[in-house]
Amino acid sequence: DAGVTQSPTHLIKTRGQQVTLRCSPKSGHDTVSWYQQALGQGPQFIFQYYEEEERQRGNFPDRFSGHQFPNYSSELNVNALLLGDSALYLCASSLWGLSGANVLTFGAGSRLTVL
Amino acid sequence: AQRVTQPEKLLSVFKGAPVELKCNYSYSGSPELFWYVQYSRQRLQLLLRHISRESIKGFTADLNKGETSFHLKKPFAQEEDSAMYYCALRGVGANNLFFGTGTRLTVIP
Repeated sequence: DAGVTQSPTHLIKTRGQQVTLRCSPKSGHDTVSWYQQALGQGPQFIFQYYEEEERQRGNFPDRFSGHQFPNYSSELNVNALLLGDSALYLCASSLWGLSGANVLTFGAGSRLTVL
Repeated sequence: AQRVTQPEKLLSVFKGAPVELKCNYSYSGSPELFWYVQYSRQRLQLLLRHISRESIKGFTADLNKGETSFHLKKPFAQEEDSAMYYCALRGVGANNLFFGTGTRLTVIP
């Protein structure tokens, strides 16, 4: 089991462009969450997808959007990129529910640099 | 508003010495608390969670609701414990984590 896989690993964009990041969850997981980790900071929750719907959302503008596919994989889209969007974007998968056994499995991340 | 505070960005201890990584939280309710760890060139991974009351790799953490703390402790630090440690909180009814800013632990041989 490859765990959570993310692509691309690194990318460089310019201000105003749009970017799409992809995530495949760990086998058996049905829920995907996205986090943004700026340099020197802890991960910040962007949103979470389950059954192809956004279930929870953090304090991020509408420029950040996502999608989940029937095979549970997910995409994160960011429009009108700003310099401040430069960060490591982490995908985490889990099983839906609030069970105490429900823990997140993280991917290695996609490092986005906005010039 | 929920908040997780890790007051030390950097912490260095000698091998064999006790180590304590501090975590304080602010939340109006009964949250779940976690410690995640990221070793060099590895992914962020769960170390332990308070509901399990377990010891992982010699680390323990006790939830102190009175002091709103969840400090991570190990009696004898090892070189392989050098890593970035994040304290995280999951609120009631939430399925996402709120992370602190992390503490980089260095164990000196």
